Amino acid sequence: AQKVTQAQTEISVVEKEDVTLDCVYETRDTTYYLFWYKQPPSGELVFLIRRNSFDEQNEISGRYSWNFQKSTSSFNFTITASQVVDSAVYFCALSEAKNKLVFGAGTILRVKS
Amino acid sequence: NAGVTQTPKFQVLKTGQSMTLQCAQDMNHEYMSWYRQDPGMGLRLIHYSVGAGITDQGEVPNGYNVSRSTTEDFPLRLLSAAPSQTSVYFCASSYSGPDNSPLHFGNGTRLTVT
Repeated sequence: AQKVTQAQTEISVVEKEDVTLDCVYETRDTTYYLFWYKQPPSGELVFLIRRNSFDEQNEISGRYSWNFQKSTSSFNFTITASQVVDSAVYFCALSEAKNKLVFGAGTILRVKS
Repeated sequence: NAGVTQTPKFQVLKTGQSMTLQCAQDMNHEYMSWYRQDPGMGLRLIHYSVGAGITDQGEVPNGYNVSRSTTEDFPLRLLSAAPSQTSVYFCASSYSGPDNSPLHFGNGTRLTVT
């Protein structure tokens, strides 16, 4: 069975600090996709990244970076030089069967000025 | 450029009442789905559809019905509302290609059952 664990329920940092959000997943399949979504206080869900199981390259997009390690079944998300606007709930999700996502419980990130 | 539109945004029901949450997308996506979001549990899949006329159950389907008569619309029906169905409901859509396209979410419907 698929499972996504986001062990950090809530993280508080001061602006400009770096912060890493952990995501550990379980799957029996060799082909799967991993996602990160952001949910700001306004409530909508914003897609951040998709990674397939065959692509273990890390990715950087501005202040955001993702570290995918199949050996530890982890797909961690780092925000460099955090800003108040990064305050949100962040969800990691896993998909084996097409488009059917299993979400982690989410990590609440609070960035204080 | 409406994307995924959900109505209503807020709803209060009494136990036993029925209602339909509406979802429409204008991106010609084959795949549509409904999730519910509860504190500490992330989002859980209720029902999904891979095309008009085809629906299937997700992780938590009990108490909900869906139908897909058109590509654009995917309504979620609560047959007899219960307090356990108090939640935020999200509709999502995506292309149904081989590479698990990202889901596009609506803005959610906050439902309270008293």
